[in-house]
Amino acid sequence: NAGVTQTPKFRILKIGQSMTLQCTQDMNHNYMYWYRQDPGMGLKLIYYSVGAGITDKGEVPNGYNVSRSTTEDFPLRLELAAPSQTSVYFCASSYSIQGYGYTFGSGTRLTVV
Amino acid sequence: TQLLEQSPQFLSIQEGENLTVYCNSSSVFSSLQWYRQEPGEGPVLLVTVVTGGEVKKLKRLTFQFGDARKDSSLHITAAQPGDTGLYLCAGATGNQFYFGTGTSLTVIP
Repeated sequence: NAGVTQTPKFRILKIGQSMTLQCTQDMNHNYMYWYRQDPGMGLKLIYYSVGAGITDKGEVPNGYNVSRSTTEDFPLRLELAAPSQTSVYFCASSYSIQGYGYTFGSGTRLTVV
Repeated sequence: TQLLEQSPQFLSIQEGENLTVYCNSSSVFSSLQWYRQEPGEGPVLLVTVVTGGEVKKLKRLTFQFGDARKDSSLHITAAQPGDTGLYLCAGATGNQFYFGTGTSLTVIP
């Protein structure tokens, strides 16, 4: 049982560079989410998807893009990286919202310099 | 917008002590969850509570959902060093969970 797999685990980007954070789940979950976690700020939702082909913005979507072409994959794209995007990024999936919890990946620690 | 406030933010106690962590909001949630997160890892689900007034026990951990489904508490009896971690509550509304800022617990042997 792999659960939710995120790659890479660590990455350093220069200001203005772009990258894609990968997220794959093998539990056939319809719901997938991207959060960022900053010290003392909790988890903030960036984007989410309720199924293949459907995505929606969360609380902090600026500077990010997502796509959901398959049930399993939900990549997060950072365009023109900025120091404010330095954070730990978590992907999560869920079978449903009501009565079910998230399964989180182990995170990607991103530093923009 | 921070929908969920957790208190205390930090807690350091001796092994064997009891503690309670609170999660409060002015919003009503359809369900509420508690997670524990260890350094370098993603949060791991501990429990989901759905019904107002619901109490769930998980060994030494007791979770309660407020009658009005706006708040919750986590009580740990006889804390152990293995309980050390960041405890997060999360409330469901619409298609999302909103997370609290977390309570960092350290249990000293």
